[in-house]
Amino acid sequence: AQSVAQPEDQVNVAEGNPLTVKCTYSVSGNPYLFWYVQYPNRGLQFLLKYITGDNLVKGSYGFEAEFNKSQTSFHLKKPSALVSDSALYFCAGTTGGQGGKLIFGQGTELSVKP
Amino acid sequence: DTEVTQTPKHLVMGMTNKKSLKCEQHMGHRAMYWYKQKAKKPPELMFVYSYEKLSINESVPSRFSPECPNSSLLNLHLHALQPEDSALYLCASSLDRNTDTQYFGPGTRLTVL
Repeated sequence: AQSVAQPEDQVNVAEGNPLTVKCTYSVSGNPYLFWYVQYPNRGLQFLLKYITGDNLVKGSYGFEAEFNKSQTSFHLKKPSALVSDSALYFCAGTTGGQGGKLIFGQGTELSVKP
Repeated sequence: DTEVTQTPKHLVMGMTNKKSLKCEQHMGHRAMYWYKQKAKKPPELMFVYSYEKLSINESVPSRFSPECPNSSLLNLHLHALQPEDSALYLCASSLDRNTDTQYFGPGTRLTVL
């Protein structure tokens, strides 16, 4: 069965420190991987995606993610966290032929403290 | 512009009411989606429309009835809902329905009394 996992329910980081939000995947075929962020009472906001090519993907607001095929991971990173980065982060994946069905991870709550 | 709009923002309805949620995009996307999301949980796919035709129904109860009148509009008609249907309903769209990025609207917060 195809799946996306986010092993941490919550990540706490001090402002200015680097942050990492972890994601691992198990999909058949070539994976298409996405990161979304959700602020309270808002919709999901697209951050970045991996389709093919460079393993390091750069996205919005200074976020980047590294695709690691051998570890089946797609961790989200930012060199210097801001308090305003505090939100719920979702990793999602799909493969061609899924008809638009995204498989979401369970979400990770990021808290950045001043 | 990657904007998907949804109306209303909030909706409170009784179990015998009929109401509709509306979603609109003007990005030329040909795939549109309805999701249901409970607090702090990932969105759950309900329906997928591709080129204005229903392509996926994730075994959603018939009290939810989707409609795609044209390529820019997506409606979700609600009738005889249950309190457990209270949730954030998200609409999304993508250029095509396979692997393209899905862009989400802000959602409608539905409360069923």
